Amino acid sequence: ILNVEQSPQSLHVQEGDSTNFTCSFPSSNFYALHWYRWETAKSPEALFVMTLNGDEKKKGRISATLNTKEGYSYLYIKGSQPEDSATYLCAHTGGFKTIFGAGTRLFVKA
Amino acid sequence: GAVVSQHPSWVICKSGTSVKIECRSLDFQATTMFWYRQFPKQSLMLMATSNEGSKATYEQGVEKDKFLINHASLTLSTLTVTSAHPEDSSFYICSAREREKTYEQYFGPGTRLTVT
Repeated sequence: ILNVEQSPQSLHVQEGDSTNFTCSFPSSNFYALHWYRWETAKSPEALFVMTLNGDEKKKGRISATLNTKEGYSYLYIKGSQPEDSATYLCAHTGGFKTIFGAGTRLFVKA
Repeated sequence: GAVVSQHPSWVICKSGTSVKIECRSLDFQATTMFWYRQFPKQSLMLMATSNEGSKATYEQGVEKDKFLINHASLTLSTLTVTSAHPEDSSFYICSAREREKTYEQYFGPGTRLTVT
């Protein structure tokens, strides 16, 4: 994998559902993996920065895991709420550059 | 903390004119600022990196004479799109890196540019 790929592109869930997204990135030359939450008309907000293989981070109902050897990260949202509706971006920092995925657009229906 | 503002949030201009977009770090000093461009349903694409007091470093394929970047102070960077054309219509977003924090970038809310 040469680029950062995120799946799915979009996701519709019901309030209360738990969900997860995938970020795939080049496994070589790894420095850091970032997750951002981006609401419409606002600035992307940093959720997590992970640097070590096996890292797990948690903030409230949102958590993330990192596997640098196989080049993927998962973002989990437990008990989705309408306010979780946003685009979730991941970005891989390797060498001196940070490359972004196209994002996963989450819609949570009340 | 770590707030970045961007102005304007949207702008419409006529083909051939120039447009300036400002990016400010409001509560921290930004030694490095980044300018990105995003087309619909695509990733943020880095256009250039600017360090305070020095010339910007442009990514391959980005015309430095068309996209003028100035980072005159530790809190302000500007992007000027010169002689804009309809194909320059896009979403432009800046981010700033705080001194000594090498991983994290703080983003502005972006600017929607439409060239008619």
